Amino acid sequence: ETGVTQSPTHLIKTRGQQVTLRCSSQSGHNTVSWYQQALGQGPQFIFQYYREEENGRGNFPPRFSGLQFPNYSSELNVNALELDDSALYLCASSLAVAIQETQYFGPGTRLLVL
Amino acid sequence: DQQVKQNSPSLSVQEGRISILNCDYTNSMFDYFLWYKKYPAEGPTFLISISSIKDKNEDGRFTVFLNKSAKHLSLHIVPSQPGDSAVYFCAASEGTDKLIFGTGTRLQVFP
Repeated sequence: ETGVTQSPTHLIKTRGQQVTLRCSSQSGHNTVSWYQQALGQGPQFIFQYYREEENGRGNFPPRFSGLQFPNYSSELNVNALELDDSALYLCASSLAVAIQETQYFGPGTRLLVL
Repeated sequence: DQQVKQNSPSLSVQEGRISILNCDYTNSMFDYFLWYKKYPAEGPTFLISISSIKDKNEDGRFTVFLNKSAKHLSLHIVPSQPGDSAVYFCAASEGTDKLIFGTGTRLQVFP
C-alpha cells in the first residue's frame, strides 16, 4: 500500500506566475484535502474534494482552485502568485469525508514566490 | 482570529519523564479534537483523537485529556522518548467541517 505522494518537493516562482501542485492519494482513498502551512503556523484548510467534486472550502480566494481525477489523484492550482503564497502545501487523503476518518498527509511541496 | 491556540512554541523534556502539551480553543461548537505529530520533511501523522463526549482517551504512551468547560485539551506522553522529538499540532472540528489547526509546539526529548 503506497502512501500519499506530492510533486514537486520544492518550487520557486515569481510574483504573478501560475503554479500547479500534484498529489497522489493513498490507495483506496476517495477524499483529498489541501492545506497551506505558512512559516511558524499550523496547516490552514484550503479545500476538500470528494469523488471529483469540491466538498468544502476555507478562506482562500478563487485564484486557488483544484481538481480531483477519476483515479483520485489531485491538483492544486494557484494563479497570479503573491509573495504571501510562499508556504508548504500539504495534501491529505482519507477514506471518506467524515472528519473522524484519519487523514494521511503527504510530505508537502514547498513553494517560494519571489 | 485563532480558534485553536498552542501557546507554548517549544518544550524540552528529559527522556523518561512526562511531556505535557497544551491546546486551547475558543469555539464551543467544536466536537472532535485530534493531535498530529510532524517530523521535518514529512507530513503530519495522526497520533490520537478525542470526541467531545469523552474527557480522556488513551493509546499506549499517549493520553489526551479534554476539559470542555475550560475549552482546553492536553496531550500527555509517558514516558517520553528521544523519537518523540517533533512538532505537535492539535486540531479541532465542528461536525464534519474542516480541521482547524493550532500553530504547533516543538517537543525536544533529551537523554
